[in-house]
Amino acid sequence: AQTVTQSQPEMSVQEAETVTLSCTYDTSENNYYLFWYKQPPSRQMILVIRQEAYKQQNATENRFSVNFQKAAKSFSLKISDSQLGDTAMYFCASVGLKTSYDKVIFGPGTSLSVIP
Amino acid sequence: NAGVTQTPKFRILKIGQSMTLQCTQDMNHNYMYWYRQDPGMGLKLIYYSVGAGITDKGEVPNGYNVSRSTTEDFPLRLELAAPSQTSVYFCANRQGDGGELFFGEGSRLTVL
Repeated sequence: AQTVTQSQPEMSVQEAETVTLSCTYDTSENNYYLFWYKQPPSRQMILVIRQEAYKQQNATENRFSVNFQKAAKSFSLKISDSQLGDTAMYFCASVGLKTSYDKVIFGPGTSLSVIP
Repeated sequence: NAGVTQTPKFRILKIGQSMTLQCTQDMNHNYMYWYRQDPGMGLKLIYYSVGAGITDKGEVPNGYNVSRSTTEDFPLRLELAAPSQTSVYFCANRQGDGGELFFGEGSRLTVL
């Protein structure tokens, strides 16, 4: 079965500091993708970053980067220079492309508060 | 382009009533998904479709039905609404492979 776990229900960080959100997953697939999504109070779902399992290089998008540890099935999100607009729920998600038939499964989320 | 459009945005149902949440896309993506999000929780997959005429169950399919007669439309049917179905429902699509999910704005359903 495909599962995604986020062990930190809530986190806070001072503005301009760095914070890391944890995610672990379980899949039997060899070919899969991992995502981080942001959900601000507006309820809109916004893609933050994407990682292909075959790529060893960690994905980076401006202030957002991931630490992808394939053997450990870990996919953490690092936010640098935190801004007030980063306050949101953050969801980790996985999609397997073969035996999971493209089901996209989400973790329970981490609520991040950026403190001025 | 509208992307993924859900209607209605808000609805109140009485226990035992039925309704259909509509989802339509103009992105020509094969993959479509329905999720529910309970307050303070993550998204749970209800049903999904990898193309017209093909649907499959997700994590929490009980109490729901879907159909996919066209690429554009993926309605979610609630039969015999129950208070446990009070939630925000999101429809989403994907192009496939590593493609990201594109979400609708969500539909807030309350069952009283």
